[in-house]
Amino acid sequence: EPEVTQTPSHQVTQMGQEVILRCVPISNHLYFYWYRQILGQKVEFLVSFYNNEISEKSEIFDDQFSVERPDGSNFTLKIRSTKLEDSAMYFCASRSGTSTDTQYFGPGTRLTVL
Amino acid sequence: GENVEQHPSTLSVQEGDSAVIKCTYSDSASNYFPWYKQELGKRPQLIIDIRSNVGEKKDQRIAVTLNKTAKHFSLHITETQPEDSAVYFCAAVNFGNEKLTFGTGTRLTIIP
Repeated sequence: EPEVTQTPSHQVTQMGQEVILRCVPISNHLYFYWYRQILGQKVEFLVSFYNNEISEKSEIFDDQFSVERPDGSNFTLKIRSTKLEDSAMYFCASRSGTSTDTQYFGPGTRLTVL
Repeated sequence: GENVEQHPSTLSVQEGDSAVIKCTYSDSASNYFPWYKQELGKRPQLIIDIRSNVGEKKDQRIAVTLNKTAKHFSLHITETQPEDSAVYFCAAVNFGNEKLTFGTGTRLTIIP
């Protein structure tokens, strides 16, 4: 069964550095999402992406964040200048948009900002 | 925007007993309600979902009920097993605005 994949599984960075989190959604899926989960808390929506543009974003997704689908397979989340409070698990998800409403989640990238 | 509340935050049940987790939502336009199971350090995995035109759905030991009027939905797990131990999240979405809004989670522990 196809799955969403994410790399790296764990990223450690210094405050103020840029990070890029990578996701490969399920092939033929049309809708893509990023969520984050601070340790011990609920999963929070960051951004949705369809047809090469952002369709919705939350108040968390400020100017420090950006998303891109550079090559038709990868879907990336960039944080330009990381802050301590960006430390969290970041999940990518994708949805086909046709036969099902289900969003399928990747295994996550644990981001630690020191 | 949508707000989803989930209760209880922790739940312990004896193996073989039933577990019930309840959620309420605020946006009457929400029309899809998935439940995710998350084991420690793992991704959320969909276990069951329900659309707003259906009142109940069952899949083996797992069932979900939806009351649109009251804006609440519940997860029922029967004949619980140790492998059911995990954190369960309810969520709501209105496909007019794409995003899943999650509840705060319920840590379910099955006591052998």
